[in-house]
Amino acid sequence: GAGVSQSPSNKVTEKGKDVELRCDPISGHTALYWYRQRLGQGLEFLIYFQGNSAPDKSGLPSDRFSAERTGESVSTLTIQRTQQEDSAVYLCASSPGPSGISYEQYFGPGTRLTVT
Amino acid sequence: LAKTTQPISMDSYEGQEVNITCSHNNIATNDYITWYQQFPSQGPRFIIQGYKTKVTNEVASLFIPADRKSSTLSLPRVSLSDTAVYYCLVGDMGYNFNKFYFGSGTKLNVKP
Repeated sequence: GAGVSQSPSNKVTEKGKDVELRCDPISGHTALYWYRQRLGQGLEFLIYFQGNSAPDKSGLPSDRFSAERTGESVSTLTIQRTQQEDSAVYLCASSPGPSGISYEQYFGPGTRLTVT
Repeated sequence: LAKTTQPISMDSYEGQEVNITCSHNNIATNDYITWYQQFPSQGPRFIIQGYKTKVTNEVASLFIPADRKSSTLSLPRVSLSDTAVYYCLVGDMGYNFNKFYFGSGTKLNVKP
């Protein structure tokens, strides 16, 4: 079946512009995550959505970052007034959701953002 | 929230067993331990997950001591295609979950 998809795969933008990144999770997955990965570094957790619960946004690095999710489907990560330090690969993952036991995350291919 | 510490890199040769240890001294009662593998230009891929003792699947084994303050991922008879970054992840998978912390990752380099 279809995995997690992200668009665009690559985005080059000028400093100060806004960008919107999209994530389509696996159908039926209630949990969705956003991560940021700078070149040569590990994954940095940004935000987590679970069903209709309010997301924990405290992982977002600044108020220029925001994320939304429509129900249990697509999510968008918006970065306003982009800065060069925002350049990174932004990864989205989904999982079936908590069931009282552990579960794995399925990652998309990522969006490579370059701010010039 | 538990954070993790792993070796930055490891070298091995084809056919050897590789053990990568992750420290998570502040692990909480509800936390599970998960390992992911990441190849260049790809998203991470789930390898194995456990809570305590030993877990084994077709790819790897995970050893967790009784105090759960560390865990060891064991890859049997590695091949060149196992060259990747391996992440140790500790988190509460329940409904009160808030954040996941991936470690810095261990870059495994398998040589011929």
